[in-house]
Amino acid sequence: GAGVSQSPSNKVTEKGKDVELRCDPISGHTALYWYRQSLGQGLEFLIYFQGNSAPDKSGLPSDRFSAERTGGSVSTLTIQRTQQEDSAVYLCASSLALSYYNEQFFGPGTRLTVL
Amino acid sequence: AQTVTQSQPEMSVQEAETVTLSCTYDTSESDYYLFWYKQPPSRQMILVIRQEAYKQQNATENRFSVNFQKAAKSFSLKISDSQLGDAAMYFCAYRDSGGGADGLTFGKGTHLIIQP
Repeated sequence: GAGVSQSPSNKVTEKGKDVELRCDPISGHTALYWYRQSLGQGLEFLIYFQGNSAPDKSGLPSDRFSAERTGGSVSTLTIQRTQQEDSAVYLCASSLALSYYNEQFFGPGTRLTVL
Repeated sequence: AQTVTQSQPEMSVQEAETVTLSCTYDTSESDYYLFWYKQPPSRQMILVIRQEAYKQQNATENRFSVNFQKAAKSFSLKISDSQLGDAAMYFCAYRDSGGGADGLTFGKGTHLIIQP
């Protein structure tokens, strides 16, 4: 597609349920990033992928969070046993390569609400 | 760890006027990039302008320009001839050239209001 897409656009779930958030990067972009945007914490970097590999998972908020990327393309961020503090907008971005000078292109985000 | 500070939670400017948004950052690195991103209500982050730390010349993109003061670790954004479409949240961001997390470090943002 022309840009980064994310689905669903909005997700409402009950506390304790698992959710999956999807990101489709720009075709040909090898690097992919996940960020979380919340009122309390602002924009936080969560994890990045170079190809299908995520070398550093230390930015994930807890062990309830996991992410994977398959085929060097689509990525899924999974939150298990959701808590109310997980409510936020989850943004995905991709770039041509991992180098720091490459522009990151962002998707429209998924707004997650945990009741 | 690097930090980015935007001290103005909200700014208001008359249409066609000029406004400057402030950003300071803290880093021990010498090679890095600084960015200004715009986030309209649609939530999509859009890159406005970027500056390489080793370039002394301030970056300019049409009505948008920056004042980069490396020694002071300051990176302000000037918007000239403000337009209604400029209304949005503006985020200052940092990324260094080293290893590590490789994500962007963002400030808390400035909400820019354009008065018609």
